[in-house]
Amino acid sequence: DADVTQTPRNRITKTGKRIMLECSQTKGHDRMYWYRQDPGLGLRLIYYSFDVKDINKGEISDGYSVSRQAQAKFSLSLESAIPNQTALYFCATSDRGTSGSTWETQYFGPGTRLLVL
Amino acid sequence: AQSVTQLGSHVSVSEGALVLLRCNYSSSVPPYLFWYVQYPNQGLQLLLKYTSAATLVKGINGFEAEFKKSETSFHLTKPSAHMSDAAEYFCAVSDLADKLIFGTGTRLQVFP
Repeated sequence: DADVTQTPRNRITKTGKRIMLECSQTKGHDRMYWYRQDPGLGLRLIYYSFDVKDINKGEISDGYSVSRQAQAKFSLSLESAIPNQTALYFCATSDRGTSGSTWETQYFGPGTRLLVL
Repeated sequence: AQSVTQLGSHVSVSEGALVLLRCNYSSSVPPYLFWYVQYPNQGLQLLLKYTSAATLVKGINGFEAEFKKSETSFHLTKPSAHMSDAAEYFCAVSDLADKLIFGTGTRLQVFP
């Protein structure tokens, strides 16, 4: 079984709808991240969480919210979807590492392809 | 602020030829640098990382990268391309708040 799973894998929705993307991990990591990928722009960080009680905004958090329900679960919500939120969304996890190291590998889920009409 | 620049959004090579993907970084502190690969319809996976030990870093699938402080570069190379290397490659730098800053990616095509 995959260590980082995302549901759904594909989603089509309409402008104004609220949708939730879910991420689960079995790696036992404290840190979880949500990114979006757009052609030519690489990956941009939306939100991140270093533990269950720690949620932080990333580079492009406007229009998004998150919930860290447990160590293993981190959900991303689009409160009112708009067409420019059409993108590929990735969840990732990483270990805390020794002494809070910044070089821990991030492990990515397979992505959710979202189309907002 | 930390940032990375990947030169060339597309690189094409013949099978068996040298692969060179360029990455330059900007960092106010000694950087931690990464290369990730994304195969079609998959998430990203780590190829290699530089964490201030050896300047020449070896990764998976025959890839390696050399950290050059004087040139602020961390280019990715592989001596002989294989068809299975076709993918998108991302350079990334760790910022002061324990987050990764990704480049815009380089798509590698390998021709037979």
